[in-house]
Amino acid sequence: QKEVEQDPGPLSVPEGAIVSLNCTYSNSAFQYFMWYRQYSRKGPELLMYTYSSGNKEDGRFTAQVDKSSKYISLFIRDSQPSDSATYLCAMFASGSRLTFGEGTQLTVNP
Amino acid sequence: GAVVSQHPSWVICKSGTSVKIECRSLDFQATTMFWYRQFPKQSLMLMATSNEGSKATYEQGVEKDKFLINHASLTLSTLTVTSAHPEDSSFYICSARPNRGGRVTDTQYFGPGTRLTVL
Repeated sequence: QKEVEQDPGPLSVPEGAIVSLNCTYSNSAFQYFMWYRQYSRKGPELLMYTYSSGNKEDGRFTAQVDKSSKYISLFIRDSQPSDSATYLCAMFASGSRLTFGEGTQLTVNP
Repeated sequence: GAVVSQHPSWVICKSGTSVKIECRSLDFQATTMFWYRQFPKQSLMLMATSNEGSKATYEQGVEKDKFLINHASLTLSTLTVTSAHPEDSSFYICSARPNRGGRVTDTQYFGPGTRLTVL
C-alpha cells in the first residue's frame, strides 16, 4: 500500500466549476502538507503549504487538512482553463523526505 | 521569491557521453537540495539528497557512480549523468530548501526541470 493515495484522474470540468482534489495518507507522523501544480514539461510549482489540521485560503484556492481522517483536499473555485495541469499532493514529517501522491491531471474546458 | 533555476532546460547527447545539469537557488541559500527524476505521466522519484559541503545521499537503486552530485556552494548543486545511455533519457528536476534564520526550512521549491534525451 502506498503511503499517499491520490486519484490520477483524468478530471475534466467546465470553466467556472468548483474543483475538488483529494489525497489520503497512512503515515500519522506527517505534519506538513503541500499542493503543487505542474504544467506539462515544467517543474512543480508550490501552491499551498499547511501545517497540521485546518484550512488555508489563497485567492481561488483552499487547502484543507483533516489529520484525524488522514485526508487532505484542495479546492479550486471559479476554475479557469489556465488551471489545467497536474496537481500533486505532498507531505512529510519533520526531518523526513517529501512523499508525493501520483498527481491528478485536471483539464478545465472553456 | 524562492526561485530555482536549472540549466540546460533541454539537452540531447550521444550515448556514452556525460551531461552536467546545474541547479541554482536564485534568491535564497540552500544547504539542502534534491534531485528527482520523472517519467511521463508519473510522479517524481527522489534520486538523491544533496548537502552543501558533504557527500550526497542516494536513494536505493540509484547508482552514485553514474549520477554524480556536487553541492559546492549554498546556491548551486550539479548533477552529472556519466556515460549516458538511452535508458537515462528522462525529465530531471531539482528542488531546494531555503535556509532561514540559520536553519533549513521545511518547504521545497522546484526548478523548471531538464529534459535529457540520449540518442
